[in-house]
Amino acid sequence: EDQVTQSPEALRLQEGESSSLNCSYTVSGLRGLFWYRQDPGKGPEFLFTLYSAGEEKEKERLKATLTKKESFLHITAPKPEDSATYLCAVQENTDKLIFGTGTRLQVFP
Amino acid sequence: DSGVTQTPKHLITATGQRVTLRCSPRSGDLSVYWYQQSLDQGLQFLIQYYNGEERAKGNILERFSAQQFPDLHSELNLSSLELGDSALYFCASSVGTANQPQHFGDGTRLSIL
Repeated sequence: EDQVTQSPEALRLQEGESSSLNCSYTVSGLRGLFWYRQDPGKGPEFLFTLYSAGEEKEKERLKATLTKKESFLHITAPKPEDSATYLCAVQENTDKLIFGTGTRLQVFP
Repeated sequence: DSGVTQTPKHLITATGQRVTLRCSPRSGDLSVYWYQQSLDQGLQFLIQYYNGEERAKGNILERFSAQQFPDLHSELNLSSLELGDSALYFCASSVGTANQPQHFGDGTRLSIL
């Protein structure tokens, strides 16, 4: 069965302390891997799509990378406003997204 | 603002009742998706419509149904509600299909008393 696993479940960082979030997946044929950010009381906000191993995307302090088995979301010099839950989702042979349970990130000043 | 509008934001009702959740997709988007988010299971895909036609189904209960209208807005109908149906229900939309990013609304929080 398709599975998306995110780690760690929760991460506490000091402002400026860089780190990475992991998303490992097992699907028979990956069409796309998506990263979202979700703030409390809000819907997931689209960040990146990655389609093939070796691909990288960047946006401000965030950089997403993809291998054949996992994706990383690197956060460089995070700020308190980066605090949120980060969700990873994969798309296989249908359009539906299969989500992981997320990493809850807290950045302290 | 994702451009996806969901109403109402909150719904409180009782077991056995029936409710309708509404979603207006982003302008130009033809695909609409419904997801359920509960504390113990994360985001789970329910159903997808593309340009008025049902395209894919997930683990949607028989008590639940959806449709997409000619103006592309969608409604999710939940009937014979049970306590376990309490959750956040999200609508998402995309331009078409095939690898398109899905943009989410802010959800409807359904509480069953």
